[in-house]
Amino acid sequence: EAQVTQNPRYLITVTGKKLTVTCSQNMNHEYMSWYRQDPGLGLRQIYYSMNVEVTDKGDVPEGYKVSRKEKRNFPLILESPSPNQTSLYFCASSLSGGNQPQHFGDGTRLSIL
Amino acid sequence: GQQLNQSPQSMFIQEGEDVSMNCTSSSIFNTWLWYKQDPGEGPVLLIALYKAGELTSNGRLTAQFGITRKDSFLNISASIPSDVGIYFCAGRGGTSYGKLTFGQGTILTVHP
Repeated sequence: EAQVTQNPRYLITVTGKKLTVTCSQNMNHEYMSWYRQDPGLGLRQIYYSMNVEVTDKGDVPEGYKVSRKEKRNFPLILESPSPNQTSLYFCASSLSGGNQPQHFGDGTRLSIL
Repeated sequence: GQQLNQSPQSMFIQEGEDVSMNCTSSSIFNTWLWYKQDPGEGPVLLIALYKAGELTSNGRLTAQFGITRKDSFLNISASIPSDVGIYFCAGRGGTSYGKLTFGQGTILTVHP
């Protein structure tokens, strides 16, 4: 089954403790992206990757890092999480570029205390 | 960055009624996408629009890419209870094929 898998689905942690949210897709998609969803703000793009080893900032990249060492994986790294990064995070992938229909994961709810 | 204004923020309607929501941008977009999000899940693509003036249907859903390239609307005809959810517009503008901007969402409630 074609899917985008995020882990963990839920995480409660403390300020400053490094964490990684993994994202994996099995559709051989070139494009992957991370979003955060906050009430009243919709989804805001954090980082995206057009292909392996190619990453670019979205609208809200501060406090986040990403890497794209292989096509199927696109982890989101919070080196020193802060409470304002408490949010619902979505990973998405598409065949190529933001033009193409994106397949979204089921989301990761992060709470930073 | 680019901003999208989506309205209305929420709608409460009776089953069978038609629904209309729209998005406007401060700048030109080259692509408009409409997504629906069910509770506890990621957004799912409903309709994609690639040309100014384009009108596209998907069952009871119809969406249009505005002539000015700064707006788009989504209509749902004869709503049913399973239409409940959050609807998002999203747009891609400029020369970046990777950057996607989402509207704030429209929360739709349908009363049986």
